[in-house]
Amino acid sequence: SQTIHQWPATLVQPVGSPLSLECTVEGTSNPNLYWYRQAAGRGLQLLFYSVGIGQISSEVPQNLSASRPQDRQFILSSKKLLLSDSGFYLCAWSVMENTEAFFGQGTRLTVV
Amino acid sequence: GQQVMQIPQYQHVQEGEDFTTYCNSSTTLSNIQWYKQRPGGHPVFLIQLVKSGEVKKQKRLTFQFGEAKKNSSLHITATQTTDVGTYFCAGPVNAGKSTFGDGTTLTVKP
Repeated sequence: SQTIHQWPATLVQPVGSPLSLECTVEGTSNPNLYWYRQAAGRGLQLLFYSVGIGQISSEVPQNLSASRPQDRQFILSSKKLLLSDSGFYLCAWSVMENTEAFFGQGTRLTVV
Repeated sequence: GQQVMQIPQYQHVQEGEDFTTYCNSSTTLSNIQWYKQRPGGHPVFLIQLVKSGEVKKQKRLTFQFGEAKKNSSLHITATQTTDVGTYFCAGPVNAGKSTFGDGTTLTVKP
């Protein structure tokens, strides 16, 4: 069966520090991968999605970047965090676009 | 860009009462998905609707897709405390990628 791993679960980082969140999927090949951010009490904002290795699409201009160095690995990064980067970050995968998405446990990031 | 609107934002019910959340899009959707997120958790897929006028049931949950494929609803009969959480709809509004509504947060008073 397929599983998705996302870590860490919580993270407190100072303003200006770098960020690296990792997500890996097991049990499937060539998944579509997604990074979402959820502000407290709000919906999910799509940040990046990838249909294959090295293929990244950015949905909103921001202080973050994403990379997919391997088929089932998706990384969210920042060189210098801002206070506004705080939030709940969720990685997800799907077989195709617009099919059911499976979410990781999420990382709760607080920038202080 | 195009959006998926969800109402209400919050709903407080007494245990045993019914609950409905509505999802509306300005554009025709090829499909719509529903997810549930428990407090502190991550979204979990519930169902996908594809056909115009489609109705699907999962125990006490009834999902409907409008005839014009622009709206959808989720109805829970006789809510239980285990139903608490935020319910999201998602549809391929922008360039084929699924856009999530802001969700309806349900609280159930025992």
